[in-house]
Amino acid sequence: QVQLVQSGAEVKEPGASVRVSCKASGYTFTSYYIDWVRQAPGQGLEWMGTINSSGGSTTYAQKFQGRVTMTRDMSTSTVYMELSSLRPDDTAVYYCARARPGAWARVRFVFEYWGQGTLVTASS
Amino acid sequence: QSVLTQPPSVSAAPGQKVTISCSGSSSNIGNNYVSWYQQLPGTAPKLLIYDNDKRPSGIPDRFSGSKSATSATLGITGLQTGDEADYYCGTWDGSLSAGVFGGGTKLTVL
Repeated sequence: QVQLVQSGAEVKEPGASVRVSCKASGYTFTSYYIDWVRQAPGQGLEWMGTINSSGGSTTYAQKFQGRVTMTRDMSTSTVYMELSSLRPDDTAVYYCARARPGAWARVRFVFEYWGQGTLVTASS
Repeated sequence: QSVLTQPPSVSAAPGQKVTISCSGSSSNIGNNYVSWYQQLPGTAPKLLIYDNDKRPSGIPDRFSGSKSATSATLGITGLQTGDEADYYCGTWDGSLSAGVFGGGTKLTVL
């Protein structure tokens, strides 16, 4: 069965960086893009970006350009999301989600499988 | 402020029907597929509807989706207390080259 298992909760000081991992299993890792979506406490879902698990190409939401880096390790079927220069308003649950197959981003934007979420707290 | 607009809350009695709207523009809903997600408290979102009106396997036909021009609607019939959750619409925005979600709608089954 398809599973996305994320790393544990993190507490970071403002200005620091955080890296969250998402280990995939139960399917051919390189056949699907992985997206990252975050949710601040009591707020809605916010799309951060996507990574091609095969070629490694990325597309980031403009809001996070310059602060987010998504990478993948094909040997361990793991995707990483690193967010730098953390601010208190980056406190949120971060989810990875497997995108639907497709040649175009607008077709791939459907998420049937999600990780369990990782709480990142940015606080001094 | 979300690109897609949803009502903050809706409510209805058990057994009744409810609809949740999602309003966008030609750069998002108007030219792309819409999906809907259910999020129970403390859990990850769950895909309910994709490609405007299709249900993944395992999703009961009490849940339905539709799209017209730049708006989409999620319908839930035969409401159950277990349907109490937050519901989100989502799609791709071609102008932003980014995925976008609605602000979410909290469903209360009275």
